[in-house]
Amino acid sequence: DTGVSQDPRHKITKRGQNVTFRCDPISEHNRLYWYRQTLGQGPEFLTYFQNEAQLEKSRLLSDRFSAERPKGSFSTLEIQRTEQGDSAMYLCASSKSGGGVSYEQYFGPGTRLTVT
Amino acid sequence: GNSVTQMEGPVTLSEEAFLTINCTYTATGYPSLFWYVQYPGEGLQLLLKATKADDKGSNKGFEATYRKETTSFHLEKGSVQVSDSAVYFCALSVTGTYKYIFGTGTRLKVLA
Repeated sequence: DTGVSQDPRHKITKRGQNVTFRCDPISEHNRLYWYRQTLGQGPEFLTYFQNEAQLEKSRLLSDRFSAERPKGSFSTLEIQRTEQGDSAMYLCASSKSGGGVSYEQYFGPGTRLTVT
Repeated sequence: GNSVTQMEGPVTLSEEAFLTINCTYTATGYPSLFWYVQYPGEGLQLLLKATKADDKGSNKGFEATYRKETTSFHLEKGSVQVSDSAVYFCALSVTGTYKYIFGTGTRLKVLA
């Protein structure tokens, strides 16, 4: 069990550019979540996957954001035409599923995005 | 809707002092409750959890009891150490949605 990994750890981009982040969950976990955390705030839910199916998206996820989990393993989060307001820490988490239980989520170290 | 309210920080304590960080929630259904900790420069780590009313979660000397009547899940520790300095987040998950709703976090600073 190597934990949840995210890449890159830091990304600096100019406004208007596209960025893509990757998350590798714990191997036996079939749920994968994306959150966004701004300074001084708690993480806010963006979206989650059960295997390869994206089951819920937050209203925070504007049409400039897209997430995929094509084979039910790793996931990518893409932000198109970045804006300064997108600057935040993007967190990925994974968990087991089954039985209608809320299993605990395991978080990765995050990708810190700075839009200049 | 679902929400979590935490006491504002920072909380500054001397080593070996008693710690309480208040957390109250509003939820539809029957949530599971969690405390996560974020040490400087590190990711969120699960500290403890409780899945139903009157459950007590505990870990590393920290405890929290799921109180349905007061919709609370306060974090306590009898004797804090400098190494407990971190940001603590209370969170809930409503069965059927699985996403977490987090509080804003409470920064704890323990002085030697």
